[in-house]
Amino acid sequence: GQQLNQSPQSMFIQEGEDVSMNCTSSSIFNTWLWYKQEPGEGPVLLIALYKAGELTSNGRLTAQFGITRKDSFLNISASIPSDVGIYFCAGQWYQGGSEKLVFGKGTKLTVNP
Amino acid sequence: DAGVIQSPRHEVTEMGQEVTLRCKPISGHDYLFWYRQTMMRGLELLIYFNNNVPIDDSGMPEDRFSAKMPNASFSTLKIQPSEPRDSAVYFCASSLARRVGDTQYFGPGTRLTVL
Repeated sequence: GQQLNQSPQSMFIQEGEDVSMNCTSSSIFNTWLWYKQEPGEGPVLLIALYKAGELTSNGRLTAQFGITRKDSFLNISASIPSDVGIYFCAGQWYQGGSEKLVFGKGTKLTVNP
Repeated sequence: DAGVIQSPRHEVTEMGQEVTLRCKPISGHDYLFWYRQTMMRGLELLIYFNNNVPIDDSGMPEDRFSAKMPNASFSTLKIQPSEPRDSAVYFCASSLARRVGDTQYFGPGTRLTVL
């Protein structure tokens, strides 16, 4: 089945630095999603991308749907301590008349003040 | 407004026992999803419902797993019999939107430990 390769697995950065993470696959997706999860909580949707080439921002976050539909990236500018958490990408596609969703393994972000 | 409510928050049981996880979606949401999260496999979609009807259960790992949604405000995920490899955090999420993954609101999760 579809699989996502999310990288890097973890990042240790200083407050104020920019962050970039990405997801790649050998499969094509209809939608790319980016989530953030904090300890003891469920994931929270950050950005949803619906069209190849789409570039969408949400505050300091920017994400793009790759032109080949097989990849996506998420950038965080001017990181702050509350950006700490695990970021997941997810890809959606249609199969057998229903919608499917697969998640990347996550990027754990640590921000040093 | 209350978010997605899951109970219990933590469950410890012994291998072979039946486990029932509960979820109350956000009022008015007509999609409900069950996920499992482990270190090894990450976050996996198990099953989702639309208007109380199961739409896709292809992510349910084995026949030991079953899910029901008897009404719009309640769903259960049952494991019978449980095994140690079922230990994970189980999330319930609900959504108004049609597309899987769109603006889903996740509950806090149930951490299941099977000894």
